Amino acid sequence: KNQVEQSPQSLIILEGKNCTLQCNYTVSPFSNLRWYKQDTGRGPVSLTIMTFSENTKSNGRYTATLDADTKQSSLHITASQLSDSASYICVVTFKAAGNKLTFGGGTRVLVKP
Amino acid sequence: DAGVIQSPRHEVTEMGQEVTLRCKPISGHNSLFWYRQTMMRGLELLIYFNNNVPIDDSGMPEDRFSAKMPNASFSTLKIQPSEPRDSAVYFCASSYLAGGNEQYFGPGTRLTVT
Repeated sequence: KNQVEQSPQSLIILEGKNCTLQCNYTVSPFSNLRWYKQDTGRGPVSLTIMTFSENTKSNGRYTATLDADTKQSSLHITASQLSDSASYICVVTFKAAGNKLTFGGGTRVLVKP
Repeated sequence: DAGVIQSPRHEVTEMGQEVTLRCKPISGHNSLFWYRQTMMRGLELLIYFNNNVPIDDSGMPEDRFSAKMPNASFSTLKIQPSEPRDSAVYFCASSYLAGGNEQYFGPGTRLTVT
């Protein structure tokens, strides 16, 4: 069964600090892996998208990495800001699942001043 | 572009009542997705359409749920009769193609069934 697991479930960091979120997936091959940011009360917004052959992708202070051998991805947030407080969701598109999206449970990040 | 538009933003209804959620996708997009999000289960795909045709409704929880897309600019998700366990946030998303392309989410409809 295709699964996407994220860790930690939640974390608190101080403004200005860096943090890294983890995403592990089972079953391959996949079409792509995305990281979404979801602010409270709003829909998810895409941060990065990577195909199987890519191992890093940046979007401002957000950098996603992908290791297809270990089936792991990470999202690194540099110099966190209060506006980074949100849930971050790892989403994998598995070819075997008809290219439907499979969502991780998300990591809730709280940035404190 | 206004993005994906959903209405209502909040809905409170009593158990047994019919609920209709509405979605207007981004103009030009030909795929539309309905998702449900709860604390316990996260985001779940309910159904998606390509070119107004339902492609996969395996995520629809039961016969009480139905979705239609009468044209390229409008879709509805209906729950009849509603139950308290249907309480969740329902998102609509659209994209150019199913699966591989970027999906743009609407703001969601928060449904509370009492």
